[in-house]
Amino acid sequence: DSGVTQTPKHLITATGQRVTLRCSPRSGDLSVYWYQQSLDQGLQFLIQYYNGEERAKGNILERFSAQQFPDLHSELNLSSLELGDSALYFCASSASNTEAFFGQGTRLTVV
Amino acid sequence: AQSVTQLDSQVPVFEEAPVELRCNYSSSVSVYLFWYVQYPNQGLQLLLKYLSGSTLVKGINGFEAEFNKSQTSFHLRKPSVHISDTAEYFCAVRPFKAAGNKLTFGGGTRVLVKP
Repeated sequence: DSGVTQTPKHLITATGQRVTLRCSPRSGDLSVYWYQQSLDQGLQFLIQYYNGEERAKGNILERFSAQQFPDLHSELNLSSLELGDSALYFCASSASNTEAFFGQGTRLTVV
Repeated sequence: AQSVTQLDSQVPVFEEAPVELRCNYSSSVSVYLFWYVQYPNQGLQLLLKYLSGSTLVKGINGFEAEFNKSQTSFHLRKPSVHISDTAEYFCAVRPFKAAGNKLTFGGGTRVLVKP
């Protein structure tokens, strides 16, 4: 158990809908990262938050947004969903530059 | 920018045989290097990391990796695999200094251990 909790584990939704993925980092970790894992793109960095502020942005679509709350949990919001958004979404947290701990992921299926 | 290439997408291997997974990277700045493992229907688990010092790094579950700066490689090895090592393995890099600490991953290598 990495200590990073993601909910829900599975999500099935229709095209055009909006969903919210939730991540609780390890106790004390200030940084939260979101990654997308798909068959065609592999593991792609989406966005990082550090203590509530956006720190880095990767290949995140404009339809996607994220935030980190004062209690350090984070949410990834995906809107106007398309079939191609179907993927495994991972959250990771870290307390330092040298190691990140990953959650079990949320498998999103858009139908 | 960084890029990571894992040279083998799939590696079949017999139980108790050795295995080597190859990883090459490209970066204009110094990087930390990592190997992660993803078991079926699981998240990513850190196997080992290279930060500095000895270029031979030992990790969990009997895995080790060697950093070769001149060849920009970080190959992963295990002298004798078990059925339970069947998984996907990812090599990743992270810059020493960056506004964010994002990991750049390779495409992954699927290891299938056969009895």
